[in-house]
Amino acid sequence: GEDVEQSLFLSVREGDSSVINCTYTDSSSTYLYWYKQEPGAGLQLLTYIFSNMDMKQDQRLTVLLNKKDKHLSLRIADTQTGDSAIYFCAEIWAAGNKLTFGGGTRVLVKP
Amino acid sequence: KAGVTQTPRYLIKTRGQQVTLSCSPISGHRSVSWYQQTPGQGLQFLFEYFSETQRNKGNFPGRFSGRQFSNSRSEMNVSTLELGDSALYLCASSLGGTNNEQFFGPGTRLTVL
Repeated sequence: GEDVEQSLFLSVREGDSSVINCTYTDSSSTYLYWYKQEPGAGLQLLTYIFSNMDMKQDQRLTVLLNKKDKHLSLRIADTQTGDSAIYFCAEIWAAGNKLTFGGGTRVLVKP
Repeated sequence: KAGVTQTPRYLIKTRGQQVTLSCSPISGHRSVSWYQQTPGQGLQFLFEYFSETQRNKGNFPGRFSGRQFSNSRSEMNVSTLELGDSALYLCASSLGGTNNEQFFGPGTRLTVL
């Protein structure tokens, strides 16, 4: 079955690194995504990683994938107040175009 | 390139009514997916349309339906509205191929009274 889980809340000081964790259960996932949602807005695609990769870096964002443990993480370097938002990880199967989302992690950046 | 647009942005209806939401995908994208977001259930997949055909369907009752037009624009319809249908409805567009990178619109906030 498909299930994606995330911790609910993360508080971090401005300038520090944030690490948001996600676990998934479907080993047939092909792509894993990170989305950001600010209040009153839709979902903004931040980055994604293909399931045969271990790591992907994109400016301040680093995605790590541990396929053995089905664990995905997003590291945000030099976290800014504008990074305060809800972050969703999501997986997609090879067979379809359906995203399965985690419950979201609310990140609060304190000055 | 214009992003995904959804209309209307806000909607208030009463129980028993029906509602139609619209989504215009990014130019060149042929796949449109719909998601429902509620505080209790989170983000749930409703259905996906590709080239005017429903390609995937989530676990929602038949009151939820959709369609896609030849220009890839999509509409979603909810009949006999219930209080629990109050949610943010998001649509996402993609090319529809293997990468499946999906871009989301701002959503339609539906409130059922």
